[in-house]
Amino acid sequence: ETGVTQSPTHLIKTRGQQVTLRCSSQSGHNTVSWYQQALGQGPQFIFQYYREEENGRGNFPPRFSGLQFPNYSSELNVNALELDDSALYLCASSSGGSGEKLFFGSGTQLSVL
Amino acid sequence: SQKIEQNSEALNIQEGKTATLTCNYTNYSPAYLQWYRQDPGRGPVFLLLIRENEKEKRKERLKVTFDTTLKQSLFHITASQPADSATYLCALANSGGSNYKLTFGKGTLLTVNP
Repeated sequence: ETGVTQSPTHLIKTRGQQVTLRCSSQSGHNTVSWYQQALGQGPQFIFQYYREEENGRGNFPPRFSGLQFPNYSSELNVNALELDDSALYLCASSSGGSGEKLFFGSGTQLSVL
Repeated sequence: SQKIEQNSEALNIQEGKTATLTCNYTNYSPAYLQWYRQDPGRGPVFLLLIRENEKEKRKERLKVTFDTTLKQSLFHITASQPADSATYLCALANSGGSNYKLTFGKGTLLTVNP
């Protein structure tokens, strides 16, 4: 078990709604990355936060936004939900160096109806 | 365009045999490559990392090779066990300014039959 916890574990929303997903990083880690994993696909990088600043972003629209707090926990917010946003959302923490392995949480399964 | 391909979507082997999984990439200059294991309903778990200047890494029954000329990594599990059944993901990070971002393949579902 990693020390990364995500909440909620499951969520059902309807199209057009907004959602906030939460992540507590492993103790000692200052970097949090978010990934989206559609069924049968590998995780896709959404963005990364390092010491409360966005450190890089993947190919996701601006309605995907995030925050990192002083205790290095993080939130992922998705506005104007679309059906294709249905996926497993994974949070991963690391100590921020190049080549660092990622410690993933178990994810939040989001279903958009 | 950049691509990471794990050549088999599914691999079935008998217990005790060696499983070999393949990861090929195009249009990347990877600084390093990682392998993860993912069980259903869980997040990926890190297994091994190999850097661009390394040819081979081992950890217990696991071995990873990295050939930057062939643009390929091979992941081996020796003396496989039913408990090794899972999806295995390769992931790489480009050298340069975007090395914070891991790009994952789709994964290979390994089933080890008793």
